Amino acid sequence: DQQVKQNSPSLSVQEGRISILNCDYTNSMFDYFLWYKKYPAEGPTFLISISSIKDKNEDGRFTVFLNKSAKHLSLHIVPSQPGDSAVYFCAASASTGKLIFGQGTTLQVKP
Amino acid sequence: GAVVSQHPSRVICKSGTSVKIECRSLDFQATTMFWYRQFPKKSLMLMATSNEGSKATYEQGVEKDKFLINHASLTLSTLTVTSAHPEDSSFYICSARAEGTYGYTFGSGTRLTVV
Repeated sequence: DQQVKQNSPSLSVQEGRISILNCDYTNSMFDYFLWYKKYPAEGPTFLISISSIKDKNEDGRFTVFLNKSAKHLSLHIVPSQPGDSAVYFCAASASTGKLIFGQGTTLQVKP
Repeated sequence: GAVVSQHPSRVICKSGTSVKIECRSLDFQATTMFWYRQFPKKSLMLMATSNEGSKATYEQGVEKDKFLINHASLTLSTLTVTSAHPEDSSFYICSARAEGTYGYTFGSGTRLTVV
């Protein structure tokens, strides 16, 4: 039972353009959502998070949008840079504190 | 910022032996630590949750006798893979969280290869 889903395994964008990574969840008890960036053989690095009481959170080039009614969140990266190329995981948490991860989306930003 | 140190980063062991992986929170007290496993090109799968001083809570399908987790102090949790087999080869990652926060800090991971 995949509670957090990232249906796009990969995404390729041109440098300077917007990258949009999507994530869907099924558990309505999730109240906190996070995005992580990960390189091979390394642990995930925290990027940005959003509480369920908000619908948008922005941090520099990264913006996360949350649509609770659709149980959908997205990460926007503007402008995309080649250094952004990595695997991006969305994760969700409920009161138990456990983080449930999506399958990841590999982003490639082409120069 | 919060730092979690995970050791070793890479280990190769023979089938039937046991391997211990350490996860330390260096500058905060981690009341809860999580252990994940990542298969190639797959998501991070939560294996267990450990709270300091109590037994770990394992996710469904994870063998608690094979993956021993100890969280003896607020800064250290260990995962021991007992009687390792080649199918245990994977990337293991720990995460630590301070009480009352949503700040999850991840270790750098351990690549385990069982030959």
